[in-house]
Amino acid sequence: GIQVEQSPPDLILQEGANSTLRCNFSDSVNNLQWFHQNPWGQLINLFYIPSGTKQNGRLSATTVATERYSLLYISSSQTTDSGVYFCAVKIWGTGNQFYFGTGTSLTVIP
Amino acid sequence: GAVVSQHPSRVICKSGTSVKIECRSLDFQATTMFWYRQFPKKSLMLMATSNEGSKATYEQGVEKDKFLINHASLTLSTLTVTSAHPEDSSFYICSASFRRLAGNYEQYFGPGTRLTVT
Repeated sequence: GIQVEQSPPDLILQEGANSTLRCNFSDSVNNLQWFHQNPWGQLINLFYIPSGTKQNGRLSATTVATERYSLLYISSSQTTDSGVYFCAVKIWGTGNQFYFGTGTSLTVIP
Repeated sequence: GAVVSQHPSRVICKSGTSVKIECRSLDFQATTMFWYRQFPKKSLMLMATSNEGSKATYEQGVEKDKFLINHASLTLSTLTVTSAHPEDSSFYICSASFRRLAGNYEQYFGPGTRLTVT
């Protein structure tokens, strides 16, 4: 089945630091999204990015579909960035469901 | 963006009882709803996909007789955990999907339901 691996699994940052989260996937995808799961469990959609690069404030994401990976960049991290970051993919020909990555747990300390 | 609600947000039940979790799309009609399960510090695992008016499609390893899914209308899907056991304790998340006129699908996630079976 589809493998969606994220690295690192855990990350601790000092406030103000930058970080890069990686998502590797094993099949061709027709959709890739990055989510932030807040401490209450709500998934917040950050980016819809099956290919290319997008930026939204301090966050940006890049997906290189041909090489089957995506990167999420967080700059000038804040304590409110803490939580778990998931990438999720949809696979050609398998319906409309997401397959979630293994997640990166981020803790930003003041 | 679109809103998906879940009820209850948390529930505690005794072993052997059944518990129902509702998932509603509040401002759109969802042709497809999905149910996920998340263990502590783990990823979301897709349990089943349900289309309005038809039987749910379960992922491999998910017991369809234990996790009953009903998608009776375009705005409501329910997950019933039957004869609950402590190992069913988990965080259950639903999502609802609809197709835009442009042809692409959008999907929104509910806030989750934390089930504890004692």
